[in-house]
Amino acid sequence: EAQVTQNPRYLITVTGKKLTVTCSQNMNHEYMSWYRQDPGLGLRQIYYSMNVEVTDKGDVPEGYKVSRKEKRNFPLILESPSPNQTSLYFCASSPYQSGTQYFGPGTRLLVL
Amino acid sequence: TQLLEQSPQFLSIQEGENLTVYCNSSSVFSSLQWYRQEPGEGPVLLVTVVTGGEVKKLKRLTFQFGDARKDSSLHITAAQPGDTGLYLCAGARGNQFYFGTGTSLTVIP
Repeated sequence: EAQVTQNPRYLITVTGKKLTVTCSQNMNHEYMSWYRQDPGLGLRQIYYSMNVEVTDKGDVPEGYKVSRKEKRNFPLILESPSPNQTSLYFCASSPYQSGTQYFGPGTRLLVL
Repeated sequence: TQLLEQSPQFLSIQEGENLTVYCNSSSVFSSLQWYRQEPGEGPVLLVTVVTGGEVKKLKRLTFQFGDARKDSSLHITAAQPGDTGLYLCAGARGNQFYFGTGTSLTVIP
């Protein structure tokens, strides 16, 4: 089944404790993105990747890192999480930049 | 800064009524997509419009891309309870995607 998977689905952590949210797609898509969704603000793009080893900042990249060592995986790293990073995070993949985006199920993060 | 503004933010209507959701911007987009999101799930694509003035129909849903490719609208005819959800527009500009603030639709039986 074609899908985007994210792990974990739910995470509670404390300020400053490094964490990684994994994202994997099995559709051989070139383009992958991370978004955060907050009430009243919609989805905002954090980082995106056009292909392996090619990543770039989106609208709200501060406090986040990403890597794209393999085509299928696009992990999101929070080196030192802060409470303002509490949010619902979505990973998405697309066959090309303006194509249909397929979203993962989301990761709900709470930073205390 | 929100590049895409959606209105209304919330909409509650009776089954059988018609409605229109607007997605507006001062920026030009190469394409515009509409997604629907259910609680606890990721957004799912409804349609992509690419050409200025383009109109696409999906059963009772009609999507229009503005002539200048800066705005779009979603019209639902004879809304049904199954249409309840969060509707999001998203514009492609350069290599990035920009999402609207969303319209939460509730259709009351």
